[in-house]
Amino acid sequence: KNQVEQSPQSLIILEGKNCTLQCNYTVSPFSNLRWYKQDTGRGPVSLTIMTFSENTKSNGRYTATLDADTKQSSLHITASQLSDSASYICVVSAKGNNRLAFGKGNQVVVIP
Amino acid sequence: DAGITQSPRHKVTETGTPVTLRCHQTENHRYMYWYRQDPGHGLRLIHYSYGVKDTDKGEVSDGYSVSRSKTEDFLLTLESATSSQTSVYFCAISEFPDGPLNTEAFFGQGTRLTVV
Repeated sequence: KNQVEQSPQSLIILEGKNCTLQCNYTVSPFSNLRWYKQDTGRGPVSLTIMTFSENTKSNGRYTATLDADTKQSSLHITASQLSDSASYICVVSAKGNNRLAFGKGNQVVVIP
Repeated sequence: DAGITQSPRHKVTETGTPVTLRCHQTENHRYMYWYRQDPGHGLRLIHYSYGVKDTDKGEVSDGYSVSRSKTEDFLLTLESATSSQTSVYFCAISEFPDGPLNTEAFFGQGTRLTVV
């Protein structure tokens, strides 16, 4: 069973439009949640990290939200650019656990 | 980019041969991880280390071994490579993976391994 589920698996959006990616998790007890961006052929790079007490965090045109009660997070991309084409991976860590639980990623393709 | 280097970046090897991948960090982070990434599976943990000579298995550890004799180096060995081990391998480092601080997990650029 996967402790981190992401949706949609993939989506295509027009340049300049907004989109929202979803992450649901069952990891417990919760420590933090991170969103990574992975460009094709490269390693994941961190966008945001949120702890239990944080509801929202922004990094430029990327805004992540967290609802620790419902165990849901979203990543909103504003005014998408071609360079936003990538896989976006939700990663959750549990307290007292050295491991990270990974989602399978949301594949985003931005077209002109 | 964080100081993390994987070598080699690409390798083609034959079935049954031993293969060693190296991860080198200059950040002095305590935790180091090896993941493999395959289509439809996302990143899966192979092994990780929480200190020199301290390692533990991940979810897909069969057929792999690791060693960490120095803080900066974490080696992943395929004792006898099989075609099912064709994958992209990522090394990651972290100071406090579950800590209260907003600490990062940094990833290397990946090693593309093909077993023929």
